[in-house]
Amino acid sequence: GAGVSQTPSNKVTEKGKYVELRCDPISGHTALYWYRQSLGQGPEFLIYFQGTGAADDSGLPNDRFFAVRPEGSVSTLKIQRTERGDSAVYLCASSPTGAYYGYTFGSGTRLTVV
Amino acid sequence: GESVGLHLPTLSVQEGDNSIINCAYSNSASDYFIWYKQESGKGPQFIIDIRSNMDKRQGQRVTVLLNKTVKHLSLQIAATQPGDSAVYFCAEIDNAGNMLTFGGGTRLMVKP
Repeated sequence: GAGVSQTPSNKVTEKGKYVELRCDPISGHTALYWYRQSLGQGPEFLIYFQGTGAADDSGLPNDRFFAVRPEGSVSTLKIQRTERGDSAVYLCASSPTGAYYGYTFGSGTRLTVV
Repeated sequence: GESVGLHLPTLSVQEGDNSIINCAYSNSASDYFIWYKQESGKGPQFIIDIRSNMDKRQGQRVTVLLNKTVKHLSLQIAATQPGDSAVYFCAEIDNAGNMLTFGGGTRLMVKP
């Protein structure tokens, strides 16, 4: 597609459940990023992929969070044993290489844990 | 969609006036900066960028100023329009050039 696609756009889950958030980047973009945005805050870095490998996962808050990009295209962010504090908008972005010239963001997945 | 910016600093301007949005960055070694615009329910959208070897860069109706001495960026929007209403974030690149760190954002409200 022409842009970065994220699904679902909204997800409501119960505390303790497992969720998967999907990101379909711009075709040909090797760099893929996940950010989390809480209400009233700027996007907060979670993880960065260069191709299939996670080049930097220093932003993942704990071991309940995991992300994969098995074929170097679509990525899935996985959250186990969700907590109410995980409620936020999860943004995915992609770029041709790294961060110079910026990235293109998707519209995000709004996750609500009840 | 999600409404970001409910607790953000807010700048309210009259349509047609100029707007100035400010940002302080933290990494004195950062050599690249970007301003993003985020409308409600959407992801951030690239507006303009600047390298650290420049003090000023102009785009269409927008200008970014960089003061490395005090680690300060500003975004100037000329003849502000209702469509400019959004939350604006500055972002700085990390030392490896791999990822961006975002500031806290400012909500711009344009009064008709």
